[in-house]
Amino acid sequence: EAEVAQSPRYKITEKSQAVAFWCDPISGHATLYWYRQILGQGPELLVQFQDESVVDDSQLPKDRFSAERLKGVDSTLKIQPAELGDSAMYLCASRPRVAFEAYNEQFFGPGTRLTVL
Amino acid sequence: GDSVTQMEGPVTLSEEAFLTINCTYTATGYPSLFWYVQYPGEGLQLLLKATKADDKGSNKGFEATYRKETTSFHLEKGSVQVSDSAVYFCALNAIQGAQKLVFGQGTRLTINP
Repeated sequence: EAEVAQSPRYKITEKSQAVAFWCDPISGHATLYWYRQILGQGPELLVQFQDESVVDDSQLPKDRFSAERLKGVDSTLKIQPAELGDSAMYLCASRPRVAFEAYNEQFFGPGTRLTVL
Repeated sequence: GDSVTQMEGPVTLSEEAFLTINCTYTATGYPSLFWYVQYPGEGLQLLLKATKADDKGSNKGFEATYRKETTSFHLEKGSVQVSDSAVYFCALNAIQGAQKLVFGQGTRLTINP
């Protein structure tokens, strides 16, 4: 069964360091999402890609976060510099392209748990 | 803006008890509604969904009915098992605009044998 892959699963870093997370969506899925899930809360969207284009990055802290999906397949989310408040689970999800897109479920990867010391 | 409010947890039940987790939403128009489940250390898995009013989503003994008049999508199961222990998230996906999920805060469920 096809799955969304993410790496690393766990990352511990010190504040002011740079970190990067990688996501490989299910093959053929045009839409890719990055969510941040703070402990005890629901996921919140950081950025949404349609193929290689950013559709929504309104909640992405652009002074320190960046995301790219250069060939419209896998994606990288970077934080530089990391801050203590960035400690969270970072989830990647993908969704296929269909005619009536709101009915589609999103398929989530296992996430990357980031701890900033 | 769109929002989802879930019953606060944690919820602790005995095995074979009846489960209800309340979920209400605020949205423009008629969104699609979802329940996702997150087991410890894992990502989110879709549990069930409903795409229009009065639809009932069901899976693994869980059910939820899309109630437009009360803007609710409560999750129910008649007899819970220890393996149902997890965090449950209610979410909506608006029909219009960016196709993104808006989640509730999650409800942690623990089932004791």
